[in-house]
Amino acid sequence: EIVMTQSPATLSVSPGERATLSCRASQSVSSNLAWYQQKPGQAPRLLIYGASTRATGIPARFSGSGSGTEFTLTISSLQSEDFAVYYCQQYNNWPLTFGQGTRLEIK
Amino acid sequence: QVQLQESGPGLVKPSQTLSLTCTVSGGSISSGDYYWSWIRQPPGKGLEWIGYIYYSGSTYYNPSLKSRVTISVDTSKNQFSLKLSSVTAADTAVYYCARGGYGGNFGLFDYWGQGTLVTVSS
Repeated sequence: EIVMTQSPATLSVSPGERATLSCRASQSVSSNLAWYQQKPGQAPRLLIYGASTRATGIPARFSGSGSGTEFTLTISSLQSEDFAVYYCQQYNNWPLTFGQGTRLEIK
Repeated sequence: QVQLQESGPGLVKPSQTLSLTCTVSGGSISSGDYYWSWIRQPPGKGLEWIGYIYYSGSTYYNPSLKSRVTISVDTSKNQFSLKLSSVTAADTAVYYCARGGYGGNFGLFDYWGQGTLVTVSS
């Protein structure tokens, strides 16, 4: 199975600042990479797919980049509602696999 | 609006079988455009995909759980179900059902249930 590794585990950023989260795959997943946001007590929400395409209704401050094994999620100007845990997920191969998550917290 | 709702016991004894059902509303499980998955999340940890079922009954399971997992579908009730046998404390988790198929890709999940916590304990 493809192992997804996210860094850092926790990221502390001030509101209004930029946040950059990383995800690495143990082998190439092409551009078949998604990002999800999860808030406490809620199910994950799809943010980005195809490594860089925002899902329906996702604000433009969320952007994704990368291909192959290295991927980045950038949140350009953090809003209070953006502080959450973010997971990357590859859907290039079965079984589907997720990273362990990056917790984005208020600095 | 599509909605998914998990149901089942919140407490299961070790060595027994965990059984959950996901009821889909606002859309037909038989549409053929989606795969229906189970995903779990141990407390304070990350997400693990368990497996999917298609409306026809075809399945694919995560190899790490394959020997213990059965997913079935009841199209007449618009439901799909999970059975996980021989559970241990390591199977304690929030279990989500989810719809895969966003943008035509079966591995992308756009609708999720709220999740149900299943605790394995005697």
